[in-house]
Amino acid sequence: EPEVTQTPSHQVTQMGQEVILRCVPISNHLYFYWYRQILGQKVEFLVSFYNNEISEKSEIFDDQFSVERPDGSNFTLKIRSTKLEDSAMYFCASSDEGGGQPQHFGDGTRLSIL
Amino acid sequence: AQRVTQPEKLLSVFKGAPVELKCNYSYSGSPELFWYVQYSRQRLQLLLRHISRESIKGFTADLNKGETSFHLKKPFAQEEDSAMYYCALHLRNTDKLIFGTGTRLQVFP
Repeated sequence: EPEVTQTPSHQVTQMGQEVILRCVPISNHLYFYWYRQILGQKVEFLVSFYNNEISEKSEIFDDQFSVERPDGSNFTLKIRSTKLEDSAMYFCASSDEGGGQPQHFGDGTRLSIL
Repeated sequence: AQRVTQPEKLLSVFKGAPVELKCNYSYSGSPELFWYVQYSRQRLQLLLRHISRESIKGFTADLNKGETSFHLKKPFAQEEDSAMYYCALHLRNTDKLIFGTGTRLQVFP
């Protein structure tokens, strides 16, 4: 069964540094998402992406964050200048249709900011 | 504001006992609800969605608009049901999923 893959599984970065989290969505999916989960808290929506542009973003997704689909397979989340509070598990997801269609999640990347 | 509430952080039962994981939502629109499950060391995956009205792995969930609830039920829990369960609300006309805080289900032998 096709899966969403995320790399790296764990990223440790100094505060203030830029970090890029990578995702390969399921190949025939058109809608892509990023979520984060701070330790002990709920999974929070960050952003959705369709047709090469952001379709929706949350208040968390400020100017420090950006997403990109640099080629036909990758979907990246960049945090420009990381803060301690960015430490979290970041999940990528994809779906073949938008709206309420089921989203398929990756294993996540644990981001630790020192 | 839209919200999903899962009041129990942890639910422990013995094998064969009935299970009910509670989920309440707050949403002014027509709700679309899901249950996602995360087994140990595995990814978050869809368990069921209310519009399918199907039973997956013996689990069912009925949307009760009057009580704004979407509780997950199973009549006889199995050890392999032990996992983290998340209730999620899809906001109409958006791509956004709002998750609850999750309930850890532990099924003892």
